[in-house]
Amino acid sequence: GAVVSQHPSRVICKSGTSVKIECRSLDFQATTMFWYRQFPKKSLMLMATSNEGSKATYEQGVEKDKFLINHASLTLSTLTVTSAHPEDSSFYICSARDIVRSGALNEQFFGPGTRLTVL
Amino acid sequence: GENVEQHPSTLSVQEGDSAVIKCTYSDSASNYFPWYKQELGKRPQLIIDIRSNVGEKKDQRIAVTLNKTAKHFSLHITETQPEDSAVYFCAARASNTGKLIFGQGTTLQVKP
Repeated sequence: GAVVSQHPSRVICKSGTSVKIECRSLDFQATTMFWYRQFPKKSLMLMATSNEGSKATYEQGVEKDKFLINHASLTLSTLTVTSAHPEDSSFYICSARDIVRSGALNEQFFGPGTRLTVL
Repeated sequence: GENVEQHPSTLSVQEGDSAVIKCTYSDSASNYFPWYKQELGKRPQLIIDIRSNVGEKKDQRIAVTLNKTAKHFSLHITETQPEDSAVYFCAARASNTGKLIFGQGTTLQVKP
């Protein structure tokens, strides 16, 4: 199947700093990518839909100024957690669909996740 | 909005027994229903999926059934093995938004 990578895999930062997480589709083009957040022993919660060349669509309750998303190319989306605080500590996972190769009803590929710890 | 409910939250079975996990979804536009297995600290791994034009799909010990009218879908694992122990998530994706919404997850424990 298609491969999605994320970088970094783990980051520890001080409260108040900003952290950027990259999500790349390695062997396919992704016009749409999705960002999820997962707290320990909880489900994956969709944060936003990242659209190449346009503004991201945020889910209800997710602050767009807090979680900045940029989808500048067909293979890269970035999530920036601005002025991070301890409550932002979580597992962030991106995903993408290879619509061109497999058609509309196809598998969604997940990145390996980024573990963010804010001290 | 879209919502996916998953039950039970925990499930413990003896090795060799069957396990069933059930989900319901709210968005009638949903047309794709994957099931994922997630190990601690890892990405979700697709184990089986079903489209809305199919009622049942089987892959060796794993099967999924879909009732579109009732908006229910279920995961069936037969002849469970200790290595099946993990957290399982159902999900539903709407054709109009493309968003994949997850259920709350089920922690399956298979006792040897």
